[in-house]
Parts: sequence; structure tokens; C-alpha cells
Amino acid sequence: GIQVEQSPPDLILQEGANSTLRCNFSDSVNNLQWFHQNPWGQLINLFYIPSGTKQNGRLSATTVATERYSSLYISSSQTTDSGVYFCAVGDNAGGTSYGKLTFGQGTILTVHP
Amino acid sequence: NAGVMQNPRHLVRRRGQEARLRCSPMKGHSHVYWYRQLPEEGLKFMVYLQKENIIDESGMPKERFSAEFPKEGPSILRIQQVVRGDSAAYFCATHLLENTEAFFGQGTRLTVV
Repeated sequence: GIQVEQSPPDLILQEGANSTLRCNFSDSVNNLQWFHQNPWGQLINLFYIPSGTKQNGRLSATTVATERYSSLYISSSQTTDSGVYFCAVGDNAGGTSYGKLTFGQGTILTVHP
Repeated sequence: NAGVMQNPRHLVRRRGQEARLRCSPMKGHSHVYWYRQLPEEGLKFMVYLQKENIIDESGMPKERFSAEFPKEGPSILRIQQVVRGDSAAYFCATHLLENTEAFFGQGTRLTVV
């Protein structure tokens, strides 16, 4: 099946710093999402971005499908940005185009005041 | 979570007992996906169901686990004779449209003691 690798595994920042999280995947995808799992365990949708670039406030994401990677940019980080960031992809392997997602292992972000 | 409801939020079971986890997708949606998140790991796909049908159960453990989505009522993930290794967060999800953005419920945290 498709492999999803996220880097870095851990990231520690001072409030106000910028950061880039990376997601590499091993095959072509028809679905890619970024999630934030907050300290209470909830999965928050950040971006649905199988290709192109999107921005939402201090966050933006870019997916270059032909190069099999996606990046999540966090600017002016805040302590509330702390948590785990997951990249998840959907592929068409075996005709399963219905939306099953394969998750990366996540990036644990800690933002200190 | 776009209206995906899971209950209970927390469940404690003794080894050997049964665990029943419930998921109600957004109104009008007739499909659910179940994922499991073991401690310190990303989410892993378990099963995809449409009303009264199991479409893909490739991620389900072969024994003790079953899932259903009856014509009426929520989807149920059932774990028989739970063991400590079943302790995890179990999430369900649905998509607004097939193979587009997925929305997850708040999860059920199962603890086996």
C-alpha cells in the first residue's frame, strides 16, 4: 500500500516562530488532508488539498502531486498550535477510490510561550 | 467534526469483557469509516461500511472485532473479549462526497484494565 512519511517527527518552537511540516508519499494520490490533533485528542480539519495551494489565516498548505509531497506552513506560531499534525492521503489502489485514508505518523509540535 | 457523533467518549472495560462503540454519521450520510489510533501512533484504517453492507474490512483484526451499520441506528464497532492491546482511540469518519474531505468524530477512548 501507499507509504506516508512526515517530517520532522518532533518540533519545538518559541511563540512567534514560523515552521514548515513536510509530508512525502510513495504513490499518486487523489485525496490529501492535513489534520491537527489537539491535546484533547480531537482531529481538526485543516486543509483538503490534493493539489495546489491554500491559505487559512496563519496556516497555508501546498501539495505538488507530481513530486509526491505536501507541505504545511505555520507562521507566527502560538501556544494553541501545539499538538500533533497529521497528513493523510487517499489513493486509487485496487479501485478503492471511495476515500480510505492512509495517515502518516505525525509531527508533534510544541510551542513555548 | 461536521456532525459525526461518537459515543461513549471514554470507555473502560476489564479484560475479557465486550466493548461496543457507536458512530452516527452526518444526517443523510449512509457510510462510515472506522480508524484506530494506538498510543503514540497515527490513525489506521479498519473498516468501511455503507448501510447494511461491509465494503472494505481489510484493516480489521481477524478475530474478536466486528462492525455493522444497520438500516436504522448508528454504526457499531464491537470488540469481544478485550485485551490490554485493544486500548486505543477509535475514530469514525464520513465524507461530504465520496473521496473528498473526510470529517471525523471526537473518538472513543477505550481503556482495558
